[in-house]
Amino acid sequence: GAVVSQHPSRVICKSGTSVKIECRSLDFQATTMFWYRQFPKQSLMLMATSNEGSKATYEQGVEKDKFLINHASLTLSTLTVTSAHPEDSSFYICSARPPAEAEGYTFGSGTRLTVV
Amino acid sequence: AQKITQTQPGMFVQEKEAVTLDCTYDTSDQSYGLFWYKQPSSGEMIFLIYQGSYDEQNATEGRYSLNFQKARKSANLVISASQLGDSAMYFCAMRDQGGSEKLVFGKGTKLTVNP
Repeated sequence: GAVVSQHPSRVICKSGTSVKIECRSLDFQATTMFWYRQFPKQSLMLMATSNEGSKATYEQGVEKDKFLINHASLTLSTLTVTSAHPEDSSFYICSARPPAEAEGYTFGSGTRLTVV
Repeated sequence: AQKITQTQPGMFVQEKEAVTLDCTYDTSDQSYGLFWYKQPSSGEMIFLIYQGSYDEQNATEGRYSLNFQKARKSANLVISASQLGDSAMYFCAMRDQGGSEKLVFGKGTKLTVNP
């Protein structure tokens, strides 16, 4: 089935620095990818929709300048958390819709970000 | 606006028994897709089963089946012959309409399988 690879799986960074998270579709072309954030014991909250070759669509309340999304190719989308602060510590996970919806949207393995 | 409701924060089941996890949805669209995912403590999202709004029959995948009642807008997940490894969070989700194709998730149900 469709596979999405996400890196890194864990990252610890200092407050004020930026962190880039990569999401790659390995065996299919994903013109659209989705970025979610999940706090402990909560559900997945959609942050933005990443569109290949165009600007990302952000959900209400998500800061565009803080969470930079780039989808430069059909297989790669990146999320950069800029000037990270401890409140940005969370689990970030990407997803892509496979060619056939019945196969289920494929998710990356997630990135656990800790800002110290 | 779409909405997914999972009313059971936690469920317990004995090993080898069946369990039903509830999910109701709200949409004015005629065409939609419903999904169930399992999230173990590792955090990965594991796709379990899919039901399209036009599918006449309930979806089944191994020990998983989806009790789809369109008129009641419910899409309950049934897990048969529970195993210890089934202990995890379970999320119901619906594909958004309006061209974005994004998935909207319910709050989830934590399932614990007891030996």
